[in-house]
Amino acid sequence: DSGVTQTPKHLITATGQRVTLRCSPRSGDLSVYWYQQSLDQGLQFLIHYYNGEERAKGNILERFSAQQFPDLHSELNLSSLELGDSALYFCASSETSGVSYNEQFFGPGTRLTVL
Amino acid sequence: GESVGLHLPTLSVQEGDNSIINCAYSNSASDYFIWYKQESGKGPQFIIDIRSNMDKRQGQRVTVLLNKTVKHLSLQIAATQPGDSAVYFCAETVDNYGQNFVFGPGTRLSVLP
Repeated sequence: DSGVTQTPKHLITATGQRVTLRCSPRSGDLSVYWYQQSLDQGLQFLIHYYNGEERAKGNILERFSAQQFPDLHSELNLSSLELGDSALYFCASSETSGVSYNEQFFGPGTRLTVL
Repeated sequence: GESVGLHLPTLSVQEGDNSIINCAYSNSASDYFIWYKQESGKGPQFIIDIRSNMDKRQGQRVTVLLNKTVKHLSLQIAATQPGDSAVYFCAETVDNYGQNFVFGPGTRLSVLP
């Protein structure tokens, strides 16, 4: 158990809908990262937040957005869902965003299925 | 759990042998690299990291080698055990302020009894 929690574990929805995935980082971790993992695209970095501030964006679609709240939990919002958005979505957390210590601890993931 | 990357390259090794997993990275400006292990149905798990000012780093039963000249990273696992069976990913980052990681496609390690 990494200490990172994600809810829900599974999510089944229809095209065009909007969903929210939630992540609680490990106690004390200020950085939260979101990743998408699909069979055809592999593991892709989406976005990184540090203490409520967006730090880096990867291959995140405009239909997707995220935020990190004052209590450090984070939410990933996916809207106008398409079949191709079906994937595993992982959240990870780490103590800092600096160079000195970067080990990321991954949650168990949310499996999103868009029908 | 779901099988990740059904068509990943596979490395099969005999239990007790050493394993070497290779990764070619894309950006010569990358300065931090990580190896992750992902078991079926679970999230990736950090194994070992290395910075670009090093060529080699050792952990417990694992060694990472970095060759910046040819942009190549390798993970060596000594005395491979059944519990090492998993998909292994390398990741590189080009931005230390924000951790924007780029992952390799992964290699499936299968340990034979």
